[in-house]
Amino acid sequence: QVQLVQSGSEVKKPGASVKVSCKASGYTFTGYYIHWVRQAPGQGLEWMGWINPNSGGTNYAQKFQGWVTMTRDTSISTVYMELNRLRSDDTAVYYCARGPPEPYQLLWDWGQGTLVTVSS
Amino acid sequence: EIVLTQSPGTLSLSPGERATLSCRASQTVTNNYLAWYQQKPGQPPRFLIYGASSRATGIPDRFSGSGSGTDFTLTISRLEPEDFAVYYCQQYGSSPETFGQGTKVEIK
Repeated sequence: QVQLVQSGSEVKKPGASVKVSCKASGYTFTGYYIHWVRQAPGQGLEWMGWINPNSGGTNYAQKFQGWVTMTRDTSISTVYMELNRLRSDDTAVYYCARGPPEPYQLLWDWGQGTLVTVSS
Repeated sequence: EIVLTQSPGTLSLSPGERATLSCRASQTVTNNYLAWYQQKPGQPPRFLIYGASSRATGIPDRFSGSGSGTDFTLTISRLEPEDFAVYYCQQYGSSPETFGQGTKVEIK
């Protein structure tokens, strides 16, 4: 079955960067877009962007442009999300989610989430 | 940007009752590209409904979506204990795609 397994929790200082991984299995990795969504404590969902694992092409939400980088390694079926210049309000659970083969922002299957805590 | 407003904020119901959740958009949702997700505490969201009314694979038929244009509804015909959760709507017809703020369905 489809599985997305994310890397573990991180604690970072303000101004640092974090890189979260998402390893996919159970389907053709290059056939489906991967999205990243974050959720601050007690808050709603915020879409950050997607990556096309086949081409490596990306599309970031305007808020995150210049600030987030999504990459992939097809040899190990893994995508990465790196967020720079962290601030305290970036404290959140970060999810990867598999979408359709087209860049529609439908989030079919989700990783377990990675808690990123930004604190001095 | 399309703003999605969900109501009510919290719905207090008993198992077996019918739940009706509303999602209202500030502008017409293109092609009725409206989805619903369920989230339980400590878990990632679960994909329920797309295209306003199509159930995702494996979703029980007690969940149904309806609506068009700017007004959409998620109905749970008879609440099961596992249905008590937060529900989010999302529009994916216009960029930027947006989520509603969520409706919590709690046990009365």
